[in-house]
Amino acid sequence: GESVGLHLPTLSVQEGDNSIINCAYSNSASDYFIWYKQESGKGPQFIIDIRSNMDKRQGQRVTVLLNKTVKHLSLQIAATQPGDSAVYFCAENEDNYGQNFVFGPGTRLSVLP
Amino acid sequence: EAQVTQNPRYLITVTGKKLTVTCSQNMNHEYMSWYRQDPGLGLRQIYYSMNVEVTDKGDVPEGYKVSRKEKRNFPLILESPSPNQTSLYFCASSLLRAGTDTQYFGPGTRLTVL
Repeated sequence: GESVGLHLPTLSVQEGDNSIINCAYSNSASDYFIWYKQESGKGPQFIIDIRSNMDKRQGQRVTVLLNKTVKHLSLQIAATQPGDSAVYFCAENEDNYGQNFVFGPGTRLSVLP
Repeated sequence: EAQVTQNPRYLITVTGKKLTVTCSQNMNHEYMSWYRQDPGLGLRQIYYSMNVEVTDKGDVPEGYKVSRKEKRNFPLILESPSPNQTSLYFCASSLLRAGTDTQYFGPGTRLTVL
């Protein structure tokens, strides 16, 4: 499969535990954020998004938390499964009319049996 | 099945030999974009297109060209590839502008320029 990155931060969790992946963003004007999951050999896949007028959003087994004060975004995965093993990216967008997302370098999540 | 396809998936070429990477989406999306992904740098946008015949530069457009003659296709052209363009390339599309709607990514094209 495709190698996403050779020196990514790695998070290892036991199957069944909760995972928390963190992301610091750079632009205080960013108002839309997305978490993507990228499995080996595949393109990024949308997981969940959040706008700056919210501080928490929940999906199926995933929760995104946004702390605008410290420009921090986190992705929580409940009951982590082997299929969650992947690289996770956060992406920020400055405004609703901007075309450029700025992507973080990613975190590799490894789920241990 | 809704998808974004790219061809080729893997390509090894030599410096200066023009190449085109195709991208096609079947979701009738207006917005399409090209990214390159390099270790430690994440995804960086090369070019994007709001609609047919409307294209604009992203963060790293140097050495690349694009065209959008049809809504479904958005080819990436390297007129004279150089080794620093060795990378993993992704095409993406979305229904609306990227800031307001989810982008769907293709499977990637691994390009090596010798």
